[in-house]
Amino acid sequence: RKEVEQDPGPFNVPEGATVAFNCTYSNSASQSFFWYRQDCRKEPKLLMSVYSSGNEDGRFTAQLNRASQYISLLIRDSKLSDSATYLCVVNMDTGRRALTFGSGTRLQVQP
Amino acid sequence: SQTIHQWPATLVQPVGSPLSLECTVEGTSNPNLYWYRQAAGRGLQLLFYSVGIGQISSEVPQNLSASRPQDRQFILSSKKLLLSDSGFYLCAWSPGTGIYNEQFFGPGTRLTVL
Repeated sequence: RKEVEQDPGPFNVPEGATVAFNCTYSNSASQSFFWYRQDCRKEPKLLMSVYSSGNEDGRFTAQLNRASQYISLLIRDSKLSDSATYLCVVNMDTGRRALTFGSGTRLQVQP
Repeated sequence: SQTIHQWPATLVQPVGSPLSLECTVEGTSNPNLYWYRQAAGRGLQLLFYSVGIGQISSEVPQNLSASRPQDRQFILSSKKLLLSDSGFYLCAWSPGTGIYNEQFFGPGTRLTVL
């Protein structure tokens, strides 16, 4: 089983749609969680951290379910500029001080 | 504010040639530094990380090595490149205090080994 699993997609949605991505992680001792966005041939950029209570940043909402070891990202009112690959990222309590990245979910927002 | 630089941006090298990629961070002290590789259409693979000058941890056995000669400088090297070394190399930093911090990436170096 992969340490961080994501549906690779692609998710093809029309502008204005709401889309949700899910991610599961294997290590129950994981301490922190993030969503990154990666555009084609560019570096990953931090989209948002995921807090235990859930958090929202504009059109983006992240949720964490520790019992199910599950993280989600909801994007409302999709824009063409949201087209990218979304990476689920987990900092596992292994003492490595390193993040574990999912392979990403590709989103294509269409006009 | 903090910035992270990588160079070169792109590189085409023959098999068997040496490699040196450089990464520098500005605007912070004692950062944790990381080297990742992303093969075409694949996820990020952690290669090395460093918590201080001269301190390098290797994640996977390979023909690559890393060094940290200065607090905010991280270098990835190889004596002889293989075809399988082709990929997108990303340097990242995170604050040195605390273990569970987010990481910030440089623009990357796209390496093609022919």
